[in-house]
Amino acid sequence: AAGVIQSPRHLIKEKRETATLKCYPIPRHDTVYWYQQGPGQDPQFLISFYEKMQSDKGSIPDRFSAQQFSDYHSELNMSSLELGDSALYFCASSPEGGLGEKLFFGSGTQLSVL
Amino acid sequence: DQQVKQNSPSLSVQEGRISILNCDYTNSMFDYFLWYKKYPAEGPTFLISISSIKDKNEDGRFTVFLNKSAKHLSLHIVPSQPGDSAVYFCARAGGTSYGKLTFGQGTILTVHP
Repeated sequence: AAGVIQSPRHLIKEKRETATLKCYPIPRHDTVYWYQQGPGQDPQFLISFYEKMQSDKGSIPDRFSAQQFSDYHSELNMSSLELGDSALYFCASSPEGGLGEKLFFGSGTQLSVL
Repeated sequence: DQQVKQNSPSLSVQEGRISILNCDYTNSMFDYFLWYKKYPAEGPTFLISISSIKDKNEDGRFTVFLNKSAKHLSLHIVPSQPGDSAVYFCARAGGTSYGKLTFGQGTILTVHP
């Protein structure tokens, strides 16, 4: 079965650079969520989209922006990168904004800021 | 303000025995709690959930118990298997979108053969 695809799997950037993370949800899933998991930390909710509109917002820095496109894939854009942005970024998708058990997570993008 | 807490960073259990993972929460209202399992280099995978109107939910070897007066829930795995070795996250669903999960810090479960 198709799963949530995230790209790239690994990304290395310098401070003050920009990064773009991509997420391709499971077909027919219209809701996308972004989570950030720092080293030794629990995943923190960043932002979510339902039918291409932002549906909820968490602890996402102003330097970050995200959007969901017409094909339902989503991109997380990160500017002026800081060392503290180094983390594992998960994307998850669900059909019709369902409850948590209907979240399907991708394998994540490991971002390292040097 | 950590609303979901897993106070045990790790747990080691012998194969065939019971594994009990614990989670405490604050700010209780109507809530929906979930357990996720995470293997290295993979995203979290849903395991089992429970609504705050219930005390127990069972699915095969996995049972979740909810003690609302103590604001505590636990995940029981019986019998434990080596393949259960993973990080287990307790999470609470809430917010304007149901998928906005608040996770605990996670517990590393190791099941020894």
